[in-house]
Amino acid sequence: KQEVTQIPAALSVPEGENLVLNCSFTDSAIYNLQWFRQDPGKGLTSLLLIQSSQREQTSGRLNASLDKSSGRSTLYIAASQPGDSATYLCAVMSNTGKLIFGQGTTLQVKP
Amino acid sequence: NAGVMQNPRHLVRRRGQEARLRCSPMKGHSHVYWYRQLPEEGLKFMVYLQKENIIDESGMPKERFSAEFPKEGPSILRIQQVVRGDSAAYFCASSPPRMGQGEAFFGQGTRLTVV
Repeated sequence: KQEVTQIPAALSVPEGENLVLNCSFTDSAIYNLQWFRQDPGKGLTSLLLIQSSQREQTSGRLNASLDKSSGRSTLYIAASQPGDSATYLCAVMSNTGKLIFGQGTTLQVKP
Repeated sequence: NAGVMQNPRHLVRRRGQEARLRCSPMKGHSHVYWYRQLPEEGLKFMVYLQKENIIDESGMPKERFSAEFPKEGPSILRIQQVVRGDSAAYFCASSPPRMGQGEAFFGQGTRLTVV
């Protein structure tokens, strides 16, 4: 049974810092891995999608890596801003399209 | 091309009532997934449907919950005799017939409050 774990559960950093969010999964048979952002009381915003055959994806200040053999992914956020404050969710997709989510990392970027 | 539409956005029900949550997938999408997010918890898969078929309901509670995706119209998640523990945000995602990259398109969710 696939399990997804995110560390840390919460993170508070001053503005401008680079930071890394971690995600691990137990079953390497995944279709892809996705990172989402969720603001309080809101829906999910897709940030990055990494196919199972890929190693990383980049979008602006965000970079996500995938090491399928070790069951790990990291989301790197460069030069953090207060507007980055949100909960970041990692999810792995099975071959049927079902997503298994981690518990999320709640990020606070202080001005 | 409208995104995944869920309604209502907020729903308040008294204990024992029925809740009906609707999800209209993106145009051309024939696969629908329902997820539940309990307070202070992550999203949990509930059910995967294709038109007129339930493909995977391994995440559905055994009682009071049902889902359908008819040939015409939106997908419906139905909760009978709601209890306070059903209070949560319910999200729907849709995907096209072929998975392609597997990008998941989510609706804004329905926030159910049971009083």
